[in-house]
Amino acid sequence: GAGVSQSPSNKVTEKGKDVELRCDPISGHTALYWYRQSLGQGLEFLIYFQGNSAPDKSGLPSDRFSAERTGGSVSTLTIQRTQQEDSAVYLCASSLERYPAWNTEAFFGQGTRLTVV
Amino acid sequence: GQNIDQPTEMTATEGAIVQINCTYQTSGFNGLFWYQQHAGEAPTFLSYNVLDGLEEKGRFSSFLSRSKGYSYLLLKELQMKDSASYLCAVNNDYKLSFGAGTTVTVRA
Repeated sequence: GAGVSQSPSNKVTEKGKDVELRCDPISGHTALYWYRQSLGQGLEFLIYFQGNSAPDKSGLPSDRFSAERTGGSVSTLTIQRTQQEDSAVYLCASSLERYPAWNTEAFFGQGTRLTVV
Repeated sequence: GQNIDQPTEMTATEGAIVQINCTYQTSGFNGLFWYQQHAGEAPTFLSYNVLDGLEEKGRFSSFLSRSKGYSYLLLKELQMKDSASYLCAVNNDYKLSFGAGTTVTVRA
């Protein structure tokens, strides 16, 4: 597609429920990233994919968080048994190469605003 | 670990110049990015520095000193639409580590 697409754009869920967030990266981009942005905070790295594999999952806050990527394209971030502290904007980004640079910058989606009530 | 610092807020007048500083201490370095983020929108790429010096792009310029772990973003001829958050990010291998962002408010 023309840009990184995320769905849903907004999600309100009850504490304890599971949620799935979807990211469609730009076609042909091999690198995909998930970040989390809490109100007034910087972007917090969650996980990085190169193709379908995730060499770095170090940013996932707990074992309730998992992510997968299939076909070197779509990625899904799953949060199980959601807690109120999970409320944030979840941003997905993709880049053409492993090493972002001036001509291969990371392009961000609009994000999914997750609210856990 | 990664430590990236930038001021929380800055205010300037339309037509003026504002300089946003960013200092970093990271375990690796493959370049520094500046992104602009309007409220409720995705961050968008502004500039990239990997070598020391100044990169100029229209009204925006970005400077890097690797030895000092320092960068700045210079916004000239400020316009109201420049009111946004500006994010400094260091590329360490594949990972972008972000500062908390600087909210710039442009006043008439």
